[in-house]
Amino acid sequence: AQSVTQLDSQVPVFEEAPVELRCNYSSSVSVYLFWYVQYPNQGLQLLLKYLSGSTLVESINGFEAEFNKSQTSFHLRKPSVHISDTAEYFCAVSFFGNEKLTFGTGTRLTIIP
Amino acid sequence: EPEVTQTPSHQVTQMGQEVILRCVPISNHLYFYWYRQILGQKVEFLVSFYNNEISEKSEIFDDQFSVERPDGSNFTLKIRSTKLEDSAMYFCASSVGGLYGYTFGSGTRLTVV
Repeated sequence: AQSVTQLDSQVPVFEEAPVELRCNYSSSVSVYLFWYVQYPNQGLQLLLKYLSGSTLVESINGFEAEFNKSQTSFHLRKPSVHISDTAEYFCAVSFFGNEKLTFGTGTRLTIIP
Repeated sequence: EPEVTQTPSHQVTQMGQEVILRCVPISNHLYFYWYRQILGQKVEFLVSFYNNEISEKSEIFDDQFSVERPDGSNFTLKIRSTKLEDSAMYFCASSVGGLYGYTFGSGTRLTVV
């Protein structure tokens, strides 16, 4: 069965510390991978995506994610977090290029000053 | 930057009433979607719409749901007879072509009482 798993529902991190938010998927077909961010009281914003090419993708605000096909993972990382990174982060997967996105349950990132 | 606009931001309705959620997709986009997020749960796909017809729908999207693009700019989701379990945040999204440029609106919070 095709599924997306975000094991960590909440991740507290001290400001300027590194963070990794985990995302794993289960699929027997090719996938496209996305991370979305939801700031308090706002909608979903695309943070970064992997469709093809380099397995390491970066966003403009310092986040990066690496597609690891053998481990079926697409973990999100940032070397030094800021208070403004406080948000809920959702991993989403398109299976076999289907336009429908399947979301994980989300990880709430809390930055501790 | 172009946005997907959703109105209203919050709607309260009585159980059994009809409700229409409205969305204005990005003007040159061709693919339209509705997702929902029940409080504390994952974002779930409801329906996709292309070329004036439904291209895919989930098992959630039963006979009480319908979508329409009445005038070439708006994209609406109608729930004919609302139930308590329809209470959720509903997100509209549009895309210029499948997974490319997939943009979400900020959502409509529907509360059924």
